[in-house]
Order: sequence, then C-alpha cells, then structure tokens
Amino acid sequence: AQSVAQPEDQVNVAEGNPLTVKCTYSVSGNPYLFWYVQYPNRGLQFLLKYITGDNLVKGSYGFEAEFNKSQTSFHLKKPSALVSDSALYFCAVRDYSSSNTGKLIFGQGTTLQVKP
Amino acid sequence: NAGVMQNPRHLVRRRGQEARLRCSPMKGHSHVYWYRQLPEEGLKFMVYLQKENIIDESGMPKERFSAEFPKEGPSILRIQQVVRGDSAAYFCASSPIIGTGNTEAFFGQGTRLTVV
Repeated sequence: AQSVAQPEDQVNVAEGNPLTVKCTYSVSGNPYLFWYVQYPNRGLQFLLKYITGDNLVKGSYGFEAEFNKSQTSFHLKKPSALVSDSALYFCAVRDYSSSNTGKLIFGQGTTLQVKP
Repeated sequence: NAGVMQNPRHLVRRRGQEARLRCSPMKGHSHVYWYRQLPEEGLKFMVYLQKENIIDESGMPKERFSAEFPKEGPSILRIQQVVRGDSAAYFCASSPIIGTGNTEAFFGQGTRLTVV
C-alpha cells in the first residue's frame, strides 16, 4: 500500500536558523510528491512538487525540498526560518494504486514553530 | 481568477440533522476532490468527481454520506443524520486535468463542521 510518513509531530527552530521538515514515502512506482502548508483556520496552500528531473526542487516562500530515491525521502527545507513560517506542513504523494484518479495520500502533518 | 470556493466556512448542526457543504472549483477545472481532516489528523481522501460523474468514492463512509457534481453549479457533499464523529474540517480541491500526475490540486479554505 502506498503511504506517507512525517515522523515529527512538531519541529521547533529559532528565527534565522535553517529548518527541515521530514517526509518519507512508500509507493510502487514513480513517486509524485507534494508539500502543502496550512495556516490556522485556512485551507492548504501548495508549496512545491517533485515529478521528475532535479532532485532539489524549489518552491514558494523560499522553501525547497530534496528528493532522495534511495532513502525514499522528500524533506522540506529552508535556509533561514521566519516567524511567519509557523504553520502546519503536509507532505503528500499521488495515489495510483487502484486507478488513475490523481487523489493524494497525506502524511499526518508536522507543526512548525519558529521562535523569535 | 478566483480560487476554490467553499461555503459555508463554518457549519453547526445538531445530531440527526443534515449537512450540505458546497464547493465551486477554480474556473476551468473539471475535477473535484473532497477530503476530510479529523482533529489532530492529516487529510483523508473521500471522493473524486468529474462533472455529473462519481469516479472514485473509495474513501466515503458507506452510509449517510453522498456527493455530487452536477453539470451546472457547485459540487455538494451531503451528510445525512449527522453524528458527533462527523465533526471535522472538510476540504475541497480542484484540478484541471489528471492522468499525467504532474498537476497540483488547489484547495479551498474548508468547511468546519461541528455537530452538537
């Protein structure tokens, strides 16, 4: 079965420090991977995606993610965190296990807390 | 270009009542997905629809839940005889095409259903 795991419920970093939010996946074919961010009482905003090509993907708001096929990981990174980055982050993989519907399988989410 | 519009944003229902959640996809998008986010959990796929067709309802509870996406008008997620366990945030997402896997879905701000 296809799945996504975010091993950390919460990540705490100081403003200005680099941040990493971890994600690992399990799929039967080529993975299509996504990161979304959810601010309080808001919907999900798309950050970035990996489909093919360069393993380092750059996205919105200075975020980037590194696809590592051997470790089946897609960690989200930012060189210098901002207090405004504090939010809930979701990793997702496109599910093609049963039919070509394009539905997403989400991780359980990681709360990022950036302290001034 | 307006984003995915969901209404109402907040909905309170007494046990046994019906809840109707509406989703208007982005202009030009003909694919709609519904996801449910239970407290302290990630998003879980419920149903995928195209205009006038339910394509994948593998995530829908077997009873009380139904969805439609008519030729004209928004997609509707309907929950009959609501129970407290239905309290959650319900998110709608739309995308223009599927199949290639490289198209991200755009999410609405969600409807937060509270059953009292």
